[in-house]
Amino acid sequence: DAKTTQPPSMDCAEGRAANLPCNHSTISGNEYVYWYRQIHSQGPQYIIHGLKNNETNEMASLIITEDRKSSTLILPHATLRDTAVYYCIVRVAVINDMRFGAGTRLTVKP
Amino acid sequence: ETGVTQSPTHLIKTRGQQVTLRCSSQSGHNTVSWYQQALGQGPQFIFQYYREEENGRGNFPPRFSGLQFPNYSSELNVNALELDDSALYLCASSSGGGGSYYEQYFGPGTRLTVT
Repeated sequence: DAKTTQPPSMDCAEGRAANLPCNHSTISGNEYVYWYRQIHSQGPQYIIHGLKNNETNEMASLIITEDRKSSTLILPHATLRDTAVYYCIVRVAVINDMRFGAGTRLTVKP
Repeated sequence: ETGVTQSPTHLIKTRGQQVTLRCSSQSGHNTVSWYQQALGQGPQFIFQYYREEENGRGNFPPRFSGLQFPNYSSELNVNALELDDSALYLCASSSGGGGSYYEQYFGPGTRLTVT
């Protein structure tokens, strides 16, 4: 599986968009990009995933560059409840595990 | 729809003992994965069960074993506990089994402390 690189921490003002970057320069053509987040003392929560095209759901948007070597998770209007560790994971279907790195600790400030 | 549940919430064991952790998968999900999360780190994959068979394993020794039951619930057993086994143990359920891109839904975890 391709490895991912994320900044260890980021801050965002409440109500503003939070843009969380992820580098996955060795990604293969059959690998998807997944995003999960983990709020303190809870299990990780699925956010979104994609292969090539940009994706949007009720929680966030996922922007994948054309060469697929990096992606950005966008929380359009961050709230205090979005404070969490955000994990970017690259995954092949035939491998059953989700390989979590250290993630990015996002702190949303009032 | 019932989410993933785990029991117990917290557990304290002594080095050398054995422990069993339990997980009930989300309704409609037939695949269960177990993860270990040490303090300050991301979750590490232990193994996955699909249709009552182990369907993938991470870099964990054989003293970590599991079971999946016909109702898709699962157990994680750890023998000969070591201090380094102290961690949050997470269970995640999904549908489709191995080889699928379905997202995994995690339970709240069991906090195991080994003294």
